[in-house]
Amino acid sequence: EPEVTQTPSHQVTQMGQEVILRCVPISNHLYFYWYRQILGQKVEFLVSFYNNEISEKSEIFDDQFSVERPDGSNFTLKIRSTKLEDSAMYFCASSGQGHEQFFGPGTRLTVL
Amino acid sequence: GNSVTQMEGPVTLSEEAFLTINCTYTATGYPSLFWYVQYPGEGLQLLLKATKADDKGSNKGFEATYRKETTSFHLEKGSVQVSDSAVYFCALSDLGGGGNKLTFGTGTQLKVEL
Repeated sequence: EPEVTQTPSHQVTQMGQEVILRCVPISNHLYFYWYRQILGQKVEFLVSFYNNEISEKSEIFDDQFSVERPDGSNFTLKIRSTKLEDSAMYFCASSGQGHEQFFGPGTRLTVL
Repeated sequence: GNSVTQMEGPVTLSEEAFLTINCTYTATGYPSLFWYVQYPGEGLQLLLKATKADDKGSNKGFEATYRKETTSFHLEKGSVQVSDSAVYFCALSDLGGGGNKLTFGTGTQLKVEL
């Protein structure tokens, strides 16, 4: 059964460093999403991506964040200069025409 | 804006007990409603959904009915198993804004014991 994959499963970084979180969505899906969950808090929407551009983003998704689909299979989230408060679990999701979102297992980001 | 409120956990039940996890929502328009489940170490999996008022979503013995009059989507199961132990998230999707982002509740951890 097709699934969304994410790498790495855990990323540890120093404050101020850039990180790139990677996702491989389901191959025939058209819509891509990033969400995050700070420990003990809600899963929060960050950004949606369709037709090679951002379709919607939340207040959290400021200039430090960017997304890219560099090669038709990967979907990446870049955080330019990480802060302590960026520590969270980051989930990638994808959906087809039916709009049901399929989630990856998440990347745990720890900023020290 | 949209929001989802669900009961806090953890909820601890004995095997074969009846489960209810409450979920209420606030939304403009007519959202679709979902329950997602997260097993330890895994991603979020769609458990069931309902797209309009009075629809009942069901899967694996779980069910939830979209109640517009009470803005609720409570999750129920008649007889839980140890394998149902997981975190359950209620969510809504509003097709406005050019996408269908999900708005989640805080999640409710369910522990089922023998």
